[in-house]
Amino acid sequence: AQSVTQLDSQVPVFEEAPVELRCNYSSSVSVYLFWYVQYPNQGLQLLLKYLSGSTLVKGINGFEAEFNKSQTSFHLRKPSVHISDTAEYFCAVSPTNTGGFKTIFGAGTRLFVKA
Amino acid sequence: GAVVSQHPSWVICKSGTSVKIECRSLDFQATTMFWYRQFPKQSLMLMATSNEGSKATYEQGVEKDKFLINHASLTLSTLTVTSAHPEDSSFYICSAKRGAPDTGELFFGEGSRLTVL
Repeated sequence: AQSVTQLDSQVPVFEEAPVELRCNYSSSVSVYLFWYVQYPNQGLQLLLKYLSGSTLVKGINGFEAEFNKSQTSFHLRKPSVHISDTAEYFCAVSPTNTGGFKTIFGAGTRLFVKA
Repeated sequence: GAVVSQHPSWVICKSGTSVKIECRSLDFQATTMFWYRQFPKQSLMLMATSNEGSKATYEQGVEKDKFLINHASLTLSTLTVTSAHPEDSSFYICSAKRGAPDTGELFFGEGSRLTVL
């Protein structure tokens, strides 16, 4: 079975400051890793994904994440946040042998960017 | 990218009535769609997996007679909340997976907020 732990439920940060949203996962099989963003009253939108290869993954809106297999982590980072980055962020894992059928989501981290 | 559209975005209904929510994949064929329920400030709870041309697979604890799912075509899945009650009020989200290339990525609809009075 898989599990996803997002270590921070809320992260307040000032505009233009860097931010890191933490995600740890547990799985006995190899997984794909994802970060999704959800703006208020909207569905989820893919920020970035790790399938294989380089452990540093770049996504949309200036976000990046690094896959660390030994620490089973996939932390999301942005060097300088904007007000518009205020949203809910979900880390997710999907076993590579299930094609997305068993995607597990973390509880979410609310990023609040202050002026 | 792949686009999934969900309709309606907002719906208010009286207790005891039924409400249908549609989920469409606009530019790809989705053999499998997923329906989630999301409570305020919480993560997504998978309700069921919808496969085109076959019965949906419901997660444990989800009443299949309450939440009817139909996946009649490769681009449309519907969720009908039957005899809705105030406790069914929630944000419902659908997602779809693309057949190929299959990377496990899910494409989400915009969500539907149901309020039952």
